[in-house]
Amino acid sequence: EAGVVQSPRYKIIEKKQPVAFWCNPISGHNTLYWYLQNLGQGPELLIRYENEEAVDDSQLPKDRFSAERLKGVDSTLKIQPAELGDSAVYLCASSPDPSGSLNEQFFGPGTRLTVL
Amino acid sequence: KNQVEQSPQSLIILEGKNCTLQCNYTVSPFSNLRWYKQDTGRGPVSLTIMTFSENTKSNGRYTATLDADTKQSSLHITASQLSDSASYICVVSVEYGNKLVFGAGTILRVKS
Repeated sequence: EAGVVQSPRYKIIEKKQPVAFWCNPISGHNTLYWYLQNLGQGPELLIRYENEEAVDDSQLPKDRFSAERLKGVDSTLKIQPAELGDSAVYLCASSPDPSGSLNEQFFGPGTRLTVL
Repeated sequence: KNQVEQSPQSLIILEGKNCTLQCNYTVSPFSNLRWYKQDTGRGPVSLTIMTFSENTKSNGRYTATLDADTKQSSLHITASQLSDSASYICVVSVEYGNKLVFGAGTILRVKS
């Protein structure tokens, strides 16, 4: 079974430029998450989707960050314009059943963003 | 405030030795606790998941314990291997709301 796929794996951009990350979750997983992970820290949730609906985007900086999951499968996270402080790893995760008590999440390899 | 604290921040051990990582949490209401292993440049991978009623769970050379009364968990690694070098993240799930609270992780380095 293929895992969560993310691309690109690495991205280097100059500040004020736009950037987009793509995620394809595990087939059949209805819930998709985007996390931000700073060096030496645990992941922090940015947004959670149930199918195509964003059900928790309270931690998403909406002035510059946006996300979409149009058909309830793959998702795109965008930053426009990027700032130096956005340099981090952006992780995508998916889980099969949000109502399940264990709610196990499966993570992709992440996209490492460097803003110069 | 829901928080997960891990210790030590980093650890270096010799190959073949055992080690124990600690996790304290103040998450309520508690649903389950999991330990993830994150290799450099990779996403976290689940090692164990424990619910309130479980106080120990093993996965090969990894054994996790949970004391729900004191809100503490530990991850014990037996006979460490070079491939165990990674960050180990303690994660607590909040009941209702589908929310995970992550610790900052313990960086383990196993050297020969």
